[in-house]
Amino acid sequence: AQTVTQSQPEMSVQEAETVTLSCTYDTSESDYYLFWYKQPPSRQMILVIRQEAYKQQNATENRFSVNFQKAAKSFSLKISDSQLGDAAMYFCAYRTNAGNNRKLIWGLGTSLAVNP
Amino acid sequence: GAVVSQHPSRVICKSGTSVKIECRSLDFQATTMFWYRQFPKQSLMLMATSNEGSKATYEQGVEKDKFLINHASLTLSTLTVTSAHPEDSSFYICSAPPPVHKGGAQYFGPGTRLTVL
Repeated sequence: AQTVTQSQPEMSVQEAETVTLSCTYDTSESDYYLFWYKQPPSRQMILVIRQEAYKQQNATENRFSVNFQKAAKSFSLKISDSQLGDAAMYFCAYRTNAGNNRKLIWGLGTSLAVNP
Repeated sequence: GAVVSQHPSRVICKSGTSVKIECRSLDFQATTMFWYRQFPKQSLMLMATSNEGSKATYEQGVEKDKFLINHASLTLSTLTVTSAHPEDSSFYICSAPPPVHKGGAQYFGPGTRLTVL
């Protein structure tokens, strides 16, 4: 069974600085998706970034980028120029691309604080 | 972008009553929807997969008779918490993957905070 591990329960960063959130996963599959979701205090889950496993190029969305290391099964999220609005819970998630299974496998989350 | 709504956003009920939560996909059809439960400062716990036109698939440990799921149409799934008790108090979230999904993402409703007195 697939698992997702986020080893940092809490992180903090100074405003305008860069922070990296870690995520590792375990799977025997070769075709899958990885996601980072953000959950601010409103508790609305927001998709931050996605990565398709067969794409070697790391995904980037504005100030958010990932370091996808398929062999190492690592999928870290880098937030550049951190803003106060980035303060939230961040969840790493995995989804197989095999068959019709669309379930997401979730990490436990990392609580990110942004200090002014 | 794809939008998923949930209603109500908050509900307070007395112990022993039943509560229905609706999840709607507003601009796409969803043959599958997911129901999650989330405790404070914890991750999402998948409760069940709602399938349009067929029975829901429940995760291990989730009581089917307690949490009734009905996927009535391609845009609506409902979760009914039957005979609610204080331990059912939680934050419930639904999600749906668009049928022509871009990169396998799911879109989430804003959640429902249930408080059982």
